[in-house]
Amino acid sequence: GQQLNQSPQSMFIQEGEDVSMNCTSSSIFNTWLWYKQDPGEGPVLLIALYKAGELTSNGRLTAQFGITRKDSFLNISASIPSDVGIYFCAGQSNDMRFGAGTRLTVKP
Amino acid sequence: GAVVSQHPSRVICKSGTSVKIECRSLDFQATTMFWYRQFPKQSLMLMATSNEGSKATYEQGVEKDKFLINHASLTLSTLTVTSAHPEDSSFYICSASGFGGHYEQYFGPGTRLTVT
Repeated sequence: GQQLNQSPQSMFIQEGEDVSMNCTSSSIFNTWLWYKQDPGEGPVLLIALYKAGELTSNGRLTAQFGITRKDSFLNISASIPSDVGIYFCAGQSNDMRFGAGTRLTVKP
Repeated sequence: GAVVSQHPSRVICKSGTSVKIECRSLDFQATTMFWYRQFPKQSLMLMATSNEGSKATYEQGVEKDKFLINHASLTLSTLTVTSAHPEDSSFYICSASGFGGHYEQYFGPGTRLTVT
């Protein structure tokens, strides 16, 4: 079940703008993951973070594993229309918990 | 690397029949496979976790006699929805972990089940 607080729930932005979303938890996790899901598809892993404080980039995406191990953020720079979708955070220790998702809409 | 496939991608069946969904890890041996259900505009709901050769562990509220999981090998898990009802209609997604010795899950493309 969901034990992660993901925000915002949705975002409507203009193409070219930067995007930031985050997840917080009352529990500590060993791994933080960020996925993107397109309609009718399974989630695709974007970034995996394994150490507290770790900052990792994947193209225009940057994610960080919070120092307290209870939070993570994902930034998308210079958004493009194909960034549209739902972004899920996930924290993993013994099992994996998901956030409720951030629905991103990018206007051309 | 880390490709997971699902078959079929969509299926329509009549009430009372059974439907089998296959999940395969194509380029790695999955230590664990997971089955999720997703309702429209909602997050993923874990149904069960399975390891090869052992019985699946079901989440609370998921009927193990209705959702039969068989994890026959390190690359194949199947979910059978038995005696399907319209309320079983949903998007079912599997995932697999174990790629590169890590535990993150790689997801299949999902199966859209419609029970009429």
